[in-house]
Amino acid sequence: GDSVTQMEGPVTLSEEAFLTINCTYTATGYPSLFWYVQYPGEGLQLLLKATKADDKGSNKGFEATYRKETTSFHLEKGSVQVSDSAVYFCALISGSARQLTFGSGTQLTVLP
Amino acid sequence: GAGVSQTPSNKVTEKGKYVELRCDPISGHTALYWYRQSLGQGPEFLIYFQGTGAADDSGLPNDRFFAVRPEGSVSTLKIQRTERGDSAVYLCASSVTSGGASTQYFGPGTRLTVL
Repeated sequence: GDSVTQMEGPVTLSEEAFLTINCTYTATGYPSLFWYVQYPGEGLQLLLKATKADDKGSNKGFEATYRKETTSFHLEKGSVQVSDSAVYFCALISGSARQLTFGSGTQLTVLP
Repeated sequence: GAGVSQTPSNKVTEKGKYVELRCDPISGHTALYWYRQSLGQGPEFLIYFQGTGAADDSGLPNDRFFAVRPEGSVSTLKIQRTERGDSAVYLCASSVTSGGASTQYFGPGTRLTVL
């Protein structure tokens, strides 16, 4: 079945550091890929998505590129802020499925 | 505009009791999803509605779990004979249509604790 493997956390960075959170997937066909973010005390929010190979999703300075050859969708940001502290989830929808399959999440803490 | 709302925000019950969790999707969204999130894990799919009908209930763990969406809007997740292992955050999401291109918008969740 479909699965998503995320870099284990927690990840702690200093403000303005470069961020990478790794995500790889196993799925049938060509899934759509997502990053969701959960800020403290808030619900899950879509951060970015990509629906076909080589697409780059971007939002709020975050980027991720859909790499079919490596089945990856790594999340990057060039300069993190304290306000980026949250839990980040990689997810996919594949084939005829309509539901999201999530990774286990990566807790990011950014220190001032 | 209003997002997805869920009530109650917290529910504490005793083992063996029956509980109902409610979800109000975004107006006009035809697809509605229920997920369950255990501590330290990502959400896991339970059931998906397209309109009034359950299009996919393959994620329901057993027959103690049931969900309805009688008028194609509000949905209720029902859990009978609750067990301690049912303790989790239950998330509801809705989208304009189903499929990968349609963004799922999540509610804040209902935290269920079974004592």
